[in-house]
Amino acid sequence: GEDVEQSLFLSVREGDSSVINCTYTDSSSTYLYWYKQEPGAGLQLLTYIFSNMDMKQDQRLTVLLNKKDKHLSLRIADTQTGDSAIYFCAETRNSGNTPLVFGKGTRLSVIA
Amino acid sequence: DTGVSQDPRHKITKRGQNVTFRCDPISEHNRLYWYRQTLGQGPEFLTYFQNEAQLEKSRLLSDRFSAERPKGSFSTLEIQRTEQGDSAMYLCASDLRGRGAGETQYFGPGTRLLVL
Repeated sequence: GEDVEQSLFLSVREGDSSVINCTYTDSSSTYLYWYKQEPGAGLQLLTYIFSNMDMKQDQRLTVLLNKKDKHLSLRIADTQTGDSAIYFCAETRNSGNTPLVFGKGTRLSVIA
Repeated sequence: DTGVSQDPRHKITKRGQNVTFRCDPISEHNRLYWYRQTLGQGPEFLTYFQNEAQLEKSRLLSDRFSAERPKGSFSTLEIQRTEQGDSAMYLCASDLRGRGAGETQYFGPGTRLLVL
């Protein structure tokens, strides 16, 4: 199967940490990605992780991968109002030789 | 190079008309992808090219849709006899595939189509 599942909404207070979760079904997934989409805009690549890694950190972003449970998460530290957007989890398989399969996105609302 | 560009950004058309969208990828990227995104959904794959060769087409790509990348640079996506169900954001992405290349797709701003 190719399903990528995400919760649809998340609301956090400014300054708190946000954790956005994603589950996928394809065990052959090789790369997993997080994209951000602001209203009316295209997708901005935030970060990605190769399937042989457990964790990747990039400034305020931390990606955790549990390959056994097929679970991916994105943690945003010190969430700011500018982080309000839709966040998409996506996977690709076969050493990246296939197009991306996206979840439906998680809408993050940051309350000042 | 400033990234992937798409033209037009918005298109309103009447049902039954034909429309054509253009995508200019990042200049050194050899792969170009088209996705469609409807309201409240994630992007769904339509088709992709490596250089000028169209390597895969989704079952979402009906006979009314055609895509080309004649010189391996820019691409066009044409929809013939548009239907209201074609209303969506059409996203283009590109990446560089090959030994030692990265594995990340970069997206353009999209073309939003509204069929009346």
